[in-house]
Amino acid sequence: DTEVTQTPKHLVMGMTNKKSLKCEQHMGHRAMYWYKQKAKKPPELMFVYSYEKLSINESVPSRFSPECPNSSLLNLHLHALQPEDSALYLCASSQEGGVLGSPLHFGNGTRLTVT
Amino acid sequence: GESVGLHLPTLSVQEGDNSIINCAYSNSASDYFIWYKQESGKGPQFIIDIRSNMDKRQGQRVTVLLNKTVKHLSLQIAATQPGDSAVYFCAEITYNQGGKLIFGQGTELSVKP
Repeated sequence: DTEVTQTPKHLVMGMTNKKSLKCEQHMGHRAMYWYKQKAKKPPELMFVYSYEKLSINESVPSRFSPECPNSSLLNLHLHALQPEDSALYLCASSQEGGVLGSPLHFGNGTRLTVT
Repeated sequence: GESVGLHLPTLSVQEGDNSIINCAYSNSASDYFIWYKQESGKGPQFIIDIRSNMDKRQGQRVTVLLNKTVKHLSLQIAATQPGDSAVYFCAEITYNQGGKLIFGQGTELSVKP
């Protein structure tokens, strides 16, 4: 079992819905990440939070809105998504962002389908 | 090999054989490299890492080799088992570019019993 917990495991939403993905870690890590993964492709970085502040936004459309309420929690708010946004959304954490020798630990993802 | 469209490069090995998975990375300034294993329905799982000032690192049944001259990384798995069947990704971090972890294209390892 992974130490990064993501909920829900599966989510189906319409294009007019608003939903949120949640991620939690209790390893004391101070950096948290959102990645998007399409089938048969590598994960692509979306956002990085370091010490609860957004440090990297990889030009992600505003219909994806990240939030880091505290050092253990990371949310991704979804609104007005498109069918092409259907993917596996992965959360990860690391001891600190951008520090040598700090591998990312991933959750098992939320499988999102937009209808 | 290189992936084209939806097709991942695939490596098929017999149980008990050694496997070698290769990765060409793009940034000669990358500082840190990680191999991840991703099983169906799961997130990437850390296997082994190596810093740019090293050329070899060994773990349990796995060895990572780094050749900075040709920007090549390899993962060797000894005595491959059916449980090793998964997609393997190499990933690199470049600290002067914000420390982002960027994944390579991946290789699907299939172990035949």
